Amino acid sequence: GQQVMQIPQYQHVQEGEDFTTYCNSSTTLSNIQWYKQRPGGHPVFLIQLVKSGEVKKQKRLTFQFGEAKKNSSLHITATQTTDVGTYFCAGFSSGSARQLTFGSGTQLTVLP
Amino acid sequence: NAGVMQNPRHLVRRRGQEARLRCSPMKGHSHVYWYRQLPEEGLKFMVYLQKENIIDESGMPKERFSAEFPKEGPSILRIQQVVRGDSAAYFCASSPQKGRTNYGYTFGSGTRLTVV
Repeated sequence: GQQVMQIPQYQHVQEGEDFTTYCNSSTTLSNIQWYKQRPGGHPVFLIQLVKSGEVKKQKRLTFQFGEAKKNSSLHITATQTTDVGTYFCAGFSSGSARQLTFGSGTQLTVLP
Repeated sequence: NAGVMQNPRHLVRRRGQEARLRCSPMKGHSHVYWYRQLPEEGLKFMVYLQKENIIDESGMPKERFSAEFPKEGPSILRIQQVVRGDSAAYFCASSPQKGRTNYGYTFGSGTRLTVV
């Protein structure tokens, strides 16, 4: 079945440093979504990418979808303490509209 | 407009008891998904339901677990004869249309099940 892996699993950064998490799928994805889960909270949808090579920005967050639609990345510029949480990518395999498969997540800690 | 409502937020059950988790989707959403999250792990798909239909239950354990989404009322995830390994956070999500959506899933706050 489809597998979605993320690296790193954990990342500690000093406030103001940049942060990047990478997502790789074993199969081609029709789209990729990103979610953020605060400690003790629930996943919150951030963004969806659909096109090969697509890049989207939300303030300090930049999301990329790979050309082959099998990988994606999330980059945060100048992290803040409010960025703390676990970031998950999630995707549907091409041809499947039923299961949104989540990656293993990257847990970000921002040190003040 | 209320979001996805899950209850209870916390549930403690003794081994062998039954756990019932409820989920009311967002208004206007007819598709419900259940996910399980073990501590420090990602979300694992369990089941996808529409009203009165199970669309995909490939992530559900074969025994003790069942789910329904009746015509009236919330979706229910039922775990019979719970064991310690069932301890986890169970999240429900909803969407307005089938599987693929342009707006992502809206998740509820989850039910934290502890089996003692």
